[in-house]
Amino acid sequence: DIVMTQSPDSLAVSLGERATINCKSSQSVLYSSNNKDYLAWYQQKSGQPPKLLIYWASTRESGVPDRFSGSGSGTHFTLTISSLQAEDVAVYFCQQYVSAPQTFGQGTRVEI
Amino acid sequence: EVQLAESGGGLVQPGGSLRLSCAASGFTFGGDWMHWVRQAPGKGLVWVSRINDDGTSTYYADFVKGRFTISRDNAKNTLYLQMSSLTAEDTAVYFCARGKPGYSDSWYDYWGQGIPVTVSS
Repeated sequence: DIVMTQSPDSLAVSLGERATINCKSSQSVLYSSNNKDYLAWYQQKSGQPPKLLIYWASTRESGVPDRFSGSGSGTHFTLTISSLQAEDVAVYFCQQYVSAPQTFGQGTRVEI
Repeated sequence: EVQLAESGGGLVQPGGSLRLSCAASGFTFGGDWMHWVRQAPGKGLVWVSRINDDGTSTYYADFVKGRFTISRDNAKNTLYLQMSSLTAEDTAVYFCARGKPGYSDSWYDYWGQGIPVTVSS
């Protein structure tokens, strides 16, 4: 199974400041036949199901604010919140879907 | 509006069985791969099982293989997870989730609210 490791486990960011979350995979999630990275990011607020933010490592889901962006390729990825808002307090997860079983990172808690 | 609503969870004794249901609406249920993902209390997300659009192909995480069975009834727009030989390690909130059409493995664009399952004597 591909192991997904996020860092840090938690971080505190001031309102309006940048938050950066890292995700590393134990194997490349880049699929050579289409040159796409099979990596998604989710936001989970307390008591709610996860919400899809990013797929293909950098494609923002419809309706997701543009302060959220994804980058990286191969085995190293980053989710950036460019200007943290109060409603962004949540746990963020990365997920690989290049091979079964799909696996998630352990989560990163973002606080103000 | 796409909606997924789980039901059937609750308290069950070790070794017992439970069947979860996920009622889908707002999209063509019979056209999508569907998944179950679980989250133990205070823990991360763990993929459990998936089923293809017509129910002919299924896949399971190793830790549930032989104990859980995923199925669907497209006429009723409902996904199921039959769970047996439950242990305390199966205690979690179980989410149903929709995958990207045509992809056996993908991101999940819609999730149910989740249903708690507690295995305890």
